[in-house]
Amino acid sequence: TQLLEQSPQFLSIQEGENLTVYCNSSSVFSSLQWYRQEPGEGPVLLVTVVTGGEVKKLKRLTFQFGDARKDSSLHITAAQPGDTGLYLCAGVTPNSGYALNFGKGTSLLVTP
Amino acid sequence: GAVVSQHPSRVICKSGTSVKIECRSLDFQATTMFWYRQFPKQSLMLMATSNEGSKATYEQGVEKDKFLINHASLTLSTLTVTSAHPEDSSFYICSAVGPLAGELFFGEGSRLTVL
Repeated sequence: TQLLEQSPQFLSIQEGENLTVYCNSSSVFSSLQWYRQEPGEGPVLLVTVVTGGEVKKLKRLTFQFGDARKDSSLHITAAQPGDTGLYLCAGVTPNSGYALNFGKGTSLLVTP
Repeated sequence: GAVVSQHPSRVICKSGTSVKIECRSLDFQATTMFWYRQFPKQSLMLMATSNEGSKATYEQGVEKDKFLINHASLTLSTLTVTSAHPEDSSFYICSAVGPLAGELFFGEGSRLTVL
């Protein structure tokens, strides 16, 4: 069962464009994390959001956690080729301990 | 920050052989580790939760006799793929719960290719 629906699955844009990746669920999460993964490597944590309505910024990346803690979004401003990678959202439900439920991922390609 | 290391990073084996992958927490003790499997261009699928000193908890659909997990110490969990077949070829990733609440650190992953 896929708890987290992530969209879009694939995204190809040109340098300088903006984009938003969505992560939705019918379940409530204690926390939600966003990761970026490069081919052949493990995921690298970008941010953890915990409070409903929370907004966090990491340079050109803006992360938002929904008020009901069921959804989240990642917005990238002025994308650069270095942003290319697989973006994964993952959530912890109140009963899952530290086990992460991952979305299917968004494969982003930014071309010069 | 805390570091989790996996070994080997790549392994190629013949069908029918067994392969062991190690996951180590290098500068902290991890009572709980997780093993994930990832197919090309897909997300991570949780296979099992590894608890130090006790049996692993496997996710539905994961064969415990096929994927043996041993968490014999606070810094090491191993995943053994027994009698590997080509369909077991995948990227296996471990993660460990860090010293602070809510922290989770991922290894670099191990790519298994079964010929």
